[in-house]
Amino acid sequence: AQSVTQLGSHVSVSEGALVLLRCNYSSSVPPYLFWYVQYPNQGLQLLLKYTSAATLVKGINGFEAEFKKSETSFHLTKPSAHMSDAAEYFCAVSPQYGNKLVFGAGTILRVKS
Amino acid sequence: NAGVTQTPKFQVLKTGQSMTLQCAQDMNHEYMSWYRQDPGMGLRLIHYSVGAGITDQGEVPNGYNVSRSTTEDFPLRLLSAAPSQTSVYFCASSETGGSYNEQFFGPGTRLTVL
Repeated sequence: AQSVTQLGSHVSVSEGALVLLRCNYSSSVPPYLFWYVQYPNQGLQLLLKYTSAATLVKGINGFEAEFKKSETSFHLTKPSAHMSDAAEYFCAVSPQYGNKLVFGAGTILRVKS
Repeated sequence: NAGVTQTPKFQVLKTGQSMTLQCAQDMNHEYMSWYRQDPGMGLRLIHYSVGAGITDQGEVPNGYNVSRSTTEDFPLRLLSAAPSQTSVYFCASSETGGSYNEQFFGPGTRLTVL
């Protein structure tokens, strides 16, 4: 069974600092990988996804993630945090064959002024 | 397009009561799903459907029923509510059941069972 581990349930950064949210997955074959963001009292929206085309994936709002097969990781980064980035971020994995998305536990990002 | 809509936004039930959470999408998506979100556990799949008339169980299906009579609607029924079903429920849809597809989420229903 596939699983996702997000290291750190809470991450706090200063405005303008680097954002790094960690995600590791377990899968016998390279899966499809996603990052979703949830703003307070809203549903989830897609930030970016990896579907084996390119290992470095660029998403919305300046976020990007790099797929590293050797490390089974898909960490999310942004060079400079904005106050508006404060939200909960979810990493998710989906098998290449099948249609069940498995989510990590989520990381709450706090941005300090 | 309204996207994915869910009603109600909030609901309080007593133990043993039944209710239906409504979900509709206007994007002509084949795939629809229901998740529950609990603190520290992310989202867990309850049931999903790959098209009208076809449904299947997800990770946590017990205590919930679904049906898909039309492409647009995918209601979730709680048969006999329990306090363990207190959660935030999200409906999602995607163009097809392909695992590479983006899922579009509704705004959620916050359910409390007393």
